[in-house]
Amino acid sequence: EDQVTQSPEALRLQEGESSSLNCSYTVSGLRGLFWYRQDPGKGPEFLFTLYSAGEEKEKERLKATLTKKESFLHITAPKPEDSATYLCAVQVRGSQGNLIFGKGTKLSVKP
Amino acid sequence: DSGVTQTPKHLITATGQRVTLRCSPRSGDLSVYWYQQSLDQGLQFLIQYYNGEERAKGNILERFSAQQFPDLHSELNLSSLELGDSALYFCASSDLDRQGPRPHRPSGANVLTFGAGSRLTVL
Repeated sequence: EDQVTQSPEALRLQEGESSSLNCSYTVSGLRGLFWYRQDPGKGPEFLFTLYSAGEEKEKERLKATLTKKESFLHITAPKPEDSATYLCAVQVRGSQGNLIFGKGTKLSVKP
Repeated sequence: DSGVTQTPKHLITATGQRVTLRCSPRSGDLSVYWYQQSLDQGLQFLIQYYNGEERAKGNILERFSAQQFPDLHSELNLSSLELGDSALYFCASSDLDRQGPRPHRPSGANVLTFGAGSRLTVL
């Protein structure tokens, strides 16, 4: 069964304290791994797509990496505005394009 | 604004009732996806339509149904509502028209753009 597991469920950081979020996945064939950011009461907002092991993508203080079994979202020197729930999702090869999501990591950054 | 429009934003109704949620996809997108998000389950895929035809089904209850119209907007119908149906319902759209790779998308993966959601409360 295709599935995505994210850890930790919640993470509290001080402003400037770097850390990483983990996404472990098990799929029959990976077409793409996605990271989304979701603010309370809003829809998920696309951050990155990763396609193959070894690939890395960066956006401001965020950097996403991918291995054959997991992905990491590294947050460097976070700011309070980075507080949100970060969702990891996979798109399975042979599917019609729907995403299978993990339950997310709720990040809180205190000033 | 993501370009995906969902109405209503909030809806409060009673058990046993029926509601319809509406979604207008981003301009140019042919695929529409419906997801349910509850506190304990996270985002669960319900159903997908492409250019008016059903393409994939997820964990959608028999009490729920959906359709996509010729103008590409979609509606999710929820009937015989139960307390447990209270959740956020999201619509997403994408431009997937084939599963093959493209120069800017080597594996054929397509990005889903989400709307702001409809919050359903069943009392």
